[in-house]
Amino acid sequence: EIVLTQSPGTLSLSPGERATLSCRASQTVSSSSLAWYQQKPGQAPRLLIYGASSRATGIPDRFSGSGSGTDFTLTISRLEPEDFAVYYCQQYGSSPWTFGQGTKVEIK
Amino acid sequence: QVQLQESGPGLVKPSVTLSLTCTVSGGSISRYYWSWIRQPPGKRLEWIGYVYYSGSTNYNPSLQSRVTISVDTSKNQFSLKLSSVTAADTAVYYCARVHYYYDGSGYFDYWGQGTLVTVSS
Repeated sequence: EIVLTQSPGTLSLSPGERATLSCRASQTVSSSSLAWYQQKPGQAPRLLIYGASSRATGIPDRFSGSGSGTDFTLTISRLEPEDFAVYYCQQYGSSPWTFGQGTKVEIK
Repeated sequence: QVQLQESGPGLVKPSVTLSLTCTVSGGSISRYYWSWIRQPPGKRLEWIGYVYYSGSTNYNPSLQSRVTISVDTSKNQFSLKLSSVTAADTAVYYCARVHYYYDGSGYFDYWGQGTLVTVSS
C-alpha cells in the first residue's frame, strides 16, 4: 500500500500569510490521483482539490494544488481566518486508497 | 445538495458485530459508489471499503475478512458491518460518496458528519 507522509505536522502562520503543505508518497501516485481535504473540529472533511491540481466546486482560488509522481503540494496563497484547520492528502490511484496523517495550520 | 447521515450505536462490546447505516438525502443513491472511512483517535483516516448501487463491493485488505458493506436502494441507504470488534476499532466512522473513475480510482466528494463508535465492555 502507498504510505503518504505530510509535512510539517503543524504550521503556525498569521492571517494573510502564505501556507505551503507537503505530501510525499512512498510510491508513484498514478495519474496524479491525489486529493486534498480540509477538516475543522467536529466537522466532516471537505474536498478541496482532486487530480492533484483541480479545485472542487465552490473552493476559493486561494487554494491551489500541484505536483506529480511522489511529491505534491497544497498552497493557500493568503490565509483567511476560516482556513485554520487540519489538511489531509489522499491517494486514490492504487487500492487500498490511503490518507496522510494530516497537517494542522494554526494561528500564530 | 447531497447530504449523508450516519446512524447506529455509539457503544459496542468487544467481539460483537458493529453495524452502522448511512442515509443519503438530496439525491439518489443510484449510479454512484458509496464508501465508509474511519478515524481512530489521534490516528489518520482509514478507507474501509465501498459499494456500488448494484451491490458490488471493494474492501481494504486490512479489514476485508471482517467487513461487509451493503446497499438498500429502496431506502436510499447503505450499511457497514464490522465483525469481531476490539478496542482497536474505536473510531469516528464516516460515510461518503465516491467520485469514481472506471480505472478503479476515486475520491470522496460528499461526507457525513461522522459518528463515534467506542468498543468497550
